Amino acid sequence: DTAVSQTPKYLVTQMGNDKSIKCEQNLGHDTMYWYKQDSKKFLKIMFSYNNKELIINETVPNRFSPKSPDKAHLNLHINSLELGDSAVYFCASRPRGLKETQYFGPGTRLLVL
Amino acid sequence: EDQVTQSPEALRLQEGESSSLNCSYTVSGLRGLFWYRQDPGKGPEFLFTLYSAGEEKEKERLKATLTKKESFLHITAPKPEDSATYLCAVHYGGSQGNLIFGKGTKLSVKP
Repeated sequence: DTAVSQTPKYLVTQMGNDKSIKCEQNLGHDTMYWYKQDSKKFLKIMFSYNNKELIINETVPNRFSPKSPDKAHLNLHINSLELGDSAVYFCASRPRGLKETQYFGPGTRLLVL
Repeated sequence: EDQVTQSPEALRLQEGESSSLNCSYTVSGLRGLFWYRQDPGKGPEFLFTLYSAGEEKEKERLKATLTKKESFLHITAPKPEDSATYLCAVHYGGSQGNLIFGKGTKLSVKP
C-alpha cells in the first residue's frame, strides 16, 4: 500500500545516455513534483505538475522533461545525461485543498559515469 | 535573495538532552513553513506545517514554533530513534508560489 513509489531505486548509466524514472502515487492527489537532492543533501524543486499546469524551475536544463500519462503518474525523462546529473531524485505529491503538505517517494539514486 | 537557512548543520545529543533546531528565512509573502524528517536512504517525511507567527504544533517529543523570521523545532528528551536529518521548507509568493528547502540539520542522539 505504498503511497508514492518510484522506479528504479538505483540507476547507474553512462554519460550521454537517455533514461527515465517513473513515479506513481495511489493517494488520489492532484499535484505531483520532482525534486533533485545533490551530494550536499540540498533538496531543490525541479517541476510541479497537475492536470492543468506544468511549472518548471527555470534553472532546470531542457534535457529534463516530465511526462504525465495520467493523474497518478509523473515520469521524468532525462536526455544526454551528464556527470552533474548524478543525484537522488524524489517524486512527491500533494492533495488539492490540503494546503501544501507534500508526500515524498523513496527516491531514485542516479549515478552517471 | 530569498533564502532558508538551517542551523546547526549537525547536532549531537545524549539521550534525554533536550535542544532546538533553527530555521531562519528571508522571503516575501510567506504562505507556509514545513518541517520534514529524512532518514538515510529515504524520502522526506512530513512532520508539521506552520502558517502564521505565533503558531505552534506538537507531535510526541517534537514541537515546532514560528515567528516572522524563523522557526524552531524543539526536541524534548530525545531518543536514539529521533536521529535523522530535519529539513525545513518555506512556501512563499503569489500564484503557485515558490518552495525552497534548507540544507537540513543532521541530528544524532546517542544512548
